[in-house]
Amino acid sequence: QSALTQPRSVSGSPGQSVTISCTGTSSDVGGYNHVSWYQQHPGKAPKLMIYDVSKRPSGVPDRFSGSKSGNTASLTVAGLQAEDEADYYCCSYAGRDTFGVFGTGTKVTVL
Amino acid sequence: EVQLLESGGGLVQPGGSLRLSCAASGFTFGDCAMNWVRQAPGKGLEWVSTISSSGGSTYYADSVKGRFTISRDNSKNTLYLQMNSLGAEDTAIYYCAKSPVSSSIATFDYWGQGSLATVSS
Repeated sequence: QSALTQPRSVSGSPGQSVTISCTGTSSDVGGYNHVSWYQQHPGKAPKLMIYDVSKRPSGVPDRFSGSKSGNTASLTVAGLQAEDEADYYCCSYAGRDTFGVFGTGTKVTVL
Repeated sequence: EVQLLESGGGLVQPGGSLRLSCAASGFTFGDCAMNWVRQAPGKGLEWVSTISSSGGSTYYADSVKGRFTISRDNSKNTLYLQMNSLGAEDTAIYYCAKSPVSSSIATFDYWGQGSLATVSS
């Protein structure tokens, strides 16, 4: 199972919005509504930001939103803040044999 | 407060074995599927293995199938990962992660701080 494809990096100024794409296939992203997104700061454990494509866990700011179209899922961060600078990973369910597959990761830089 | 505390990592020679443990607290352990996710130094996240809440179903990444075994002891609130025939490619931080009780699959809502396993001669 190949990793899902994410852009290596995206950047934006404070207050702007950035969108991270996560491209898979009909066997993973396109086949199930079980896409999640994780934020990871350097030296820290990942943190769940979005699950089931667009649901936000309690405590996650509503600046973070998720969506999906076909085989591509997206995470949008609106109103960028300095603390949003981190690595972001998508993950998708990929069926009983493969189960889970992560994306390649995207570094978000706040200019 | 949910807490996941991994232990058992360390330095092992190629071909050797390690057993990781993850002590869980702050939630009903027996209600949740549990997972191992790893991250090689400077690299991205890789899903390794998942076990159902009862322990009756297990799932493995192709890269570890036949070498790693996930298990759990619900009476001790502890998750395990037995790693055999280790190679340099297994060097990574191994994170224990819980899944939510909901029907969401392959979702990891809480993570431990990780345990570093280094395979080197």
